[in-house]
Parts: sequence; structure tokens; C-alpha cells
Amino acid sequence: GNSVTQMEGPVTLSEEAFLTINCTYTATGYPSLFWYVQYPGEGLQLLLKATKADDKGSNKGFEATYRKETTSFHLEKGSVQVSDSAVYFCALSEDKLIFGTGTRLQVFP
Amino acid sequence: EAGVTQFPSHSVIEKGQTVTLRCDPISGHDNLYWYRRVMGKEIKFLLHFVKESKQDESGMPNNRFLAERTGGTYSTLKVQPAELEDSGVYFCASRPRQGMNTEAFFGQGTRLTVV
Repeated sequence: GNSVTQMEGPVTLSEEAFLTINCTYTATGYPSLFWYVQYPGEGLQLLLKATKADDKGSNKGFEATYRKETTSFHLEKGSVQVSDSAVYFCALSEDKLIFGTGTRLQVFP
Repeated sequence: EAGVTQFPSHSVIEKGQTVTLRCDPISGHDNLYWYRRVMGKEIKFLLHFVKESKQDESGMPNNRFLAERTGGTYSTLKVQPAELEDSGVYFCASRPRQGMNTEAFFGQGTRLTVV
């Protein structure tokens, strides 16, 4: 069946560091891909999405490109802030969402 | 516009007891989903309602779990009797329509602890 694998956390960075959170997927078709974020004490929020191969989703300085050849959707940000500390979930959609395990990001000043 | 609301935010119950979780979706959203995250693992799909009908309940773990959506508005998820392994965070999400590209809006989740 379809599945999502993302890197284990926690990821600990200093402010202004470069961030990469790896995500790969297994799918029989051509799903849409998403990154959701959960800030402390809040629910899941959609961060960005891509609906077809080579699409790049972007929001709040975060980017991810739908790579069909490597079945990946890695999340990147050039300069993280303390306020980016959260748990990030990669997901694919076949109508219902299939999530990865989540990666906790901790950014220190 | 109000988002997806879940009650309670936290619940601690003893093994063998019954707990009912509630989800109020965004008004007008026919599609309602329940998910669960156990012990820091992945968020897993439980079931999907379209209005009051169960479209897909393939993720329900066993018959101790009962979900309803009478009238196609709010939904409840009852666990009876609760077991230790039911502990986790239960998320509800709603969408205006189905489809891979349609954004799902999530509630804050209910943290259930079974002791």
C-alpha cells in the first residue's frame, strides 16, 4: 500500500541555519503531496502542497518539490527562526491522508 | 468562520471505562475524517464520513470503536471499553468536498490517556 517515510527527529538547529527534512513516499498512482505543521498547543495546519511532478509548494519561506524520479518531497528552509519550532508531517493524499511519523524541529536562538 | 472544534482537549480514563470524543467540523463541510496518532508514531486514518454516511471505515482498529455522525453535522467517536493501547491523540478533519487536492482542516486534537 501507499506509505510515507520521513526522517526521525528531533532536529535541533540554531536560528538562521538551513533546514532540510527528508520525506520519501511509496504510491501506486500519482498522489498529491503535503507538508503539515503542528505548533505547540495547536492543531495540524497545512504548510504547503504539490499536486503533480515537478511542482514546488512554498509558504512562509518553506519549500518542497515533488520529485517523481526519486519519490521524494523534502522540506527546506533557508533560514529558520525560533518560531518555526514545531512538529512537521509529510503526507500523501489518495483522498484520505497518509502521514509520516512526524519530525520535531527545535530552533534555538 | 469557526474552524474544526474538538472536545474535550484532554481526557484521562481508567481501563475499561467509556469515553466519547466529539468533533464539530467547519459548517458546510460534508466530509469528516477521524485520525489517531499513537505514542509519537505516524498519524493514522480511522474513518471518513460523507454527510451522515460512513464512506470508509477501514482504519477503525476494532469493534470497541464506534463513530457516528447523526444528521451529518458533528461527529462522535466512542471507545468502549477503553484499553491502554487506545491512548494517543485523536484528530478530526473536515473538507468541503473529496479529492486528492482539497485541503483538509484539522482540529486541535483530543489527547486520550488510558491508565
